[in-house]
Amino acid sequence: AQTVTQSQPEMSVQEAETVTLSCTYDTSESDYYLFWYKQPPSRQMILVIRQEAYKQQNATENRFSVNFQKAAKSFSLKISDSQLGDAAMYFCAYRRRETSGSRLTFGEGTQLTVNP
Amino acid sequence: NAGVMQNPRHLVRRRGQEARLRCSPMKGHSHVYWYRQLPEEGLKFMVYLQKENIIDESGMPKERFSAEFPKEGPSILRIQQVVRGDSAAYFCASSPQSLYRGSGNTIYFGEGSWLTVV
Repeated sequence: AQTVTQSQPEMSVQEAETVTLSCTYDTSESDYYLFWYKQPPSRQMILVIRQEAYKQQNATENRFSVNFQKAAKSFSLKISDSQLGDAAMYFCAYRRRETSGSRLTFGEGTQLTVNP
Repeated sequence: NAGVMQNPRHLVRRRGQEARLRCSPMKGHSHVYWYRQLPEEGLKFMVYLQKENIIDESGMPKERFSAEFPKEGPSILRIQQVVRGDSAAYFCASSPQSLYRGSGNTIYFGEGSWLTVV
């Protein structure tokens, strides 16, 4: 079974600075997808960024980027120029690639605080 | 393009009553997933459905919980004889049929339904 581990229950960062959230996963599959979702106080689940395992290039979305290390099964999220609106719970998630679809497996989350 | 729609957003039930949570997937999406989030915890997978089929229900409690996704209409998560421990946020998510690489492999979430059992 696939597992996702986020070893940092809480992180904090000063506004305008950079923070990195860690995620590791365990799988025997070679083709899969990794995601970071954000859950602000409104509790809505918002997709932040997506990485396909077959792509070596790290995904980027504006101020958000990932460091995907497939051999190490590591998938960290870097937030640059942190903003107050980035404060949220961040979940790392894994999805196996299947033509018929498959579920997401989540880590336990990292609560990010942004200090003004 | 409307997102994943869940209703009700908030539901209060007395112990022993039934709770029904509804989910309409995004237009064009044929896969529906239900997740539960207990207070101060992460999201736990419950069930994965396609139209008229349950694909994976490995996360569903064996008793009192059921889910369906009929040919017509929304997906329904049904909890019979609710207990206080069922109080949680229930998230529905959807995705298109993932035959190809790309954005079709992303799962999109609704805003959640908050169940409170009193």
